[in-house]
Amino acid sequence: KAGVTQTPRYLIKTRGQQVTLSCSPISGHRSVSWYQQTPGQGLQFLFEYFSETQRNKGNFPGRFSGRQFSNSRSEMNVSTLELGDSALYLCASSPTQVEYGGEKLFFGSGTQLSVL
Amino acid sequence: GDSVTQMEGPVTLSEEAFLTINCTYTATGYPSLFWYVQYPGEGLQLLLKATKADDKGSNKGFEATYRKETTSFHLEKGSVQVSDSAVYFCALISDTGRRALTFGSGTRLQVQP
Repeated sequence: KAGVTQTPRYLIKTRGQQVTLSCSPISGHRSVSWYQQTPGQGLQFLFEYFSETQRNKGNFPGRFSGRQFSNSRSEMNVSTLELGDSALYLCASSPTQVEYGGEKLFFGSGTQLSVL
Repeated sequence: GDSVTQMEGPVTLSEEAFLTINCTYTATGYPSLFWYVQYPGEGLQLLLKATKADDKGSNKGFEATYRKETTSFHLEKGSVQVSDSAVYFCALISDTGRRALTFGSGTRLQVQP
C-alpha cells in the first residue's frame, strides 16, 4: 500500500510569489491535514479537509489556503510569499476526520519550501 | 488554548542507556496523548498513544504513562539503540474546542555506539 506522497520534495521561491504544494493520501483515506514545521515554531496545524470540505483550520493568515478534490488528493496554496514562510510543509492522511481518531494519521515526507 | 511542552534537545546517549524525554501538557477536558517519531528525511510516525488517565502506551520498547495529576506523558525506554536516533514529538488532541493535533516542539535524540 503506497504511503502519503507529497510533491515536489523541494521548492525555492522568491518573496511575493505564490506556490502550490500537492499531497496524495493513502488510498481510501478521506481526510488530509496540513502542518507547517519550522525550527522555531515546531509543528503547527494549518487545516484539515475531509470529503472536499475544510473541517478545521489553524491560526494562519488567509494567504494560506487549500482544497481537496473528489479523489481525496489535496493542494495547499500560499500567496504573496514571505521569508517567514520558509518551512517544511507536511501533509497527513487519515481514514476518518482527525477528531475521531488522531492516532490514525499517516504523514508524508514533506515539501521543503525556501523563500528567498 | 492547548499546548505541549517538551524538554529541549538534543539528548545524547550511549547505546543501551536509559532514555527519558519529558512531556507536559495544558488542555481543557480530557485529551488523548501521543508520541510521534520522525526519522531523518521522513515524515512523522505514530509511536504510541494513551487515551485516558493512567493508561500506558507502549511500542518497540518505548513506554509512556498518562498522568493526569501531573499533566505529563514522559517517554521512556530501558535500553536505546543507534537506530532510535530521531526527533520525538509529544502531541495531544483535546475532546473539546478545535480538535486537531497539537504538537510539542520536538526533542532530538542522538544515540552513539
